[in-house]
Amino acid sequence: DIQMTQSPSSLSASVGDRVTITCRASQSISIYLNWYQQKPGKAPNLLIYGASSSQGGVPSRFSGSGSGTDFTLTISSLQPEDLATYYCQQSYSTPPTFGQGTKVEIK
Amino acid sequence: QVHLVESGGGVVQPGRSLRLSCVASGFTFSSYGMHWVRQAPGKGLEWVALISNDGSNKYYADSVKGRFTISRDNSKSTLYLQVSSLRAEDTAAYYCASEESAMVGSFDYWGQGALVTVSS
Repeated sequence: DIQMTQSPSSLSASVGDRVTITCRASQSISIYLNWYQQKPGKAPNLLIYGASSSQGGVPSRFSGSGSGTDFTLTISSLQPEDLATYYCQQSYSTPPTFGQGTKVEIK
Repeated sequence: QVHLVESGGGVVQPGRSLRLSCVASGFTFSSYGMHWVRQAPGKGLEWVALISNDGSNKYYADSVKGRFTISRDNSKSTLYLQVSSLRAEDTAAYYCASEESAMVGSFDYWGQGALVTVSS
């Protein structure tokens, strides 16, 4: 199985800050990398698919980049409603696997 | 718009069985692969099972293989997960999720989750 490792596990940032979350795969997964946002008590929601394509309705401050083994989710200007845990997921091979999550808190 | 609604969760004793259902609306259910993903309390996401759009292909996580069975009824736009021989470590919220494109493999829409608690 492909292992996905996210960093950091948690972060605290101020409104308006630029936030970067990284995800590393244990082997090359091309661009088969997806990002999800899970707000407290809610189901996950797809933000980014194919490493850099935004799902419809996702605010433009969210962007994704990367290929191969290293990927990044960037929030260009953190908003209070971005309080959530963010997960990466590889869809290169079965079983699909998730990173352990990055909890984003607002200072 | 897309709606996925799970049901069938509850408190069950170790070793017993349960059937989870997920009713879909707002899209052509028979064209989409469907997944179950679970999340233990306070933990991360774990993929459980996948069924192809026509039900001909099924895949399972090693942790549930032989105990869980995924199925679907396209005439009812409903996905199922039969969970058997339940263990304490199966306690989790179980989410159904749709996969619009097998080429992309992302979980495009999610239900609200059904909580399964395994306890004596």
